[in-house]
Amino acid sequence: QLQLQESGPGLVKPSETLSLTCTVSGGSISSSSYYWGWIRQPPGKGLEWIGSIYYSGSTYYNPSLKSRVTISVDTSKNQFSLKLSSVTAADTAVYYCASTALDYYYGMDVWGQGTTVTVSS
Amino acid sequence: SYVLTQPPSVSVAPGKTARITCGGNNIGSKSVHWYQQKPGQAPVLVIYYDSDRPSGIPERFSGSNSGNTATLTISRVEAGDEADYYCQVWDSSSDHPVVFGGGTKLTVL
Repeated sequence: QLQLQESGPGLVKPSETLSLTCTVSGGSISSSSYYWGWIRQPPGKGLEWIGSIYYSGSTYYNPSLKSRVTISVDTSKNQFSLKLSSVTAADTAVYYCASTALDYYYGMDVWGQGTTVTVSS
Repeated sequence: SYVLTQPPSVSVAPGKTARITCGGNNIGSKSVHWYQQKPGQAPVLVIYYDSDRPSGIPERFSGSNSGNTATLTISRVEAGDEADYYCQVWDSSSDHPVVFGGGTKLTVL
């Protein structure tokens, strides 16, 4: 049973870089059956896709965030990571990592519990 | 980029049928997924590939997709179905391959 868990600082200062890690258990991040992605949800608002990565290293980013986002995979630790640079208060949100299953026609079948990130000085 | 439009809210009495729509240009040509999100919890996939249910999702949840509208239908609605529901598509040919709808708050009266 695949499980995902986000980790990282809950507070980031404006203009700094937000860094989060998602640890995958119960499966291999090198599997060709999944994309690995990040989604965020500002307080009281809807879901916003940030980006996704395939085990091969291919990445897809939300065009509105692309200039500030980097998603990478660490196969040795079975983890993937998010870096979002030059953050502002608008980046305050719950950040989720999720697996996108090719068997589910690219539906996001497993989600982490989410981690709250606040951007404030 | 592609836009998915959902009604902000839908209300239904217990035992009745709720229908939540997701509008998009020629959405019938895409695979639509639906998620349920309860307060303080992560989203849960309830429908994938327009109308398939992951294991563990009750048969009361069903989906359809044609033309410019996809629909999530919840039959015999229960109090526990009260949640936000989001539709989503994945289009790998787009520069914005993953799009979510704005979400619909389902209220059980």
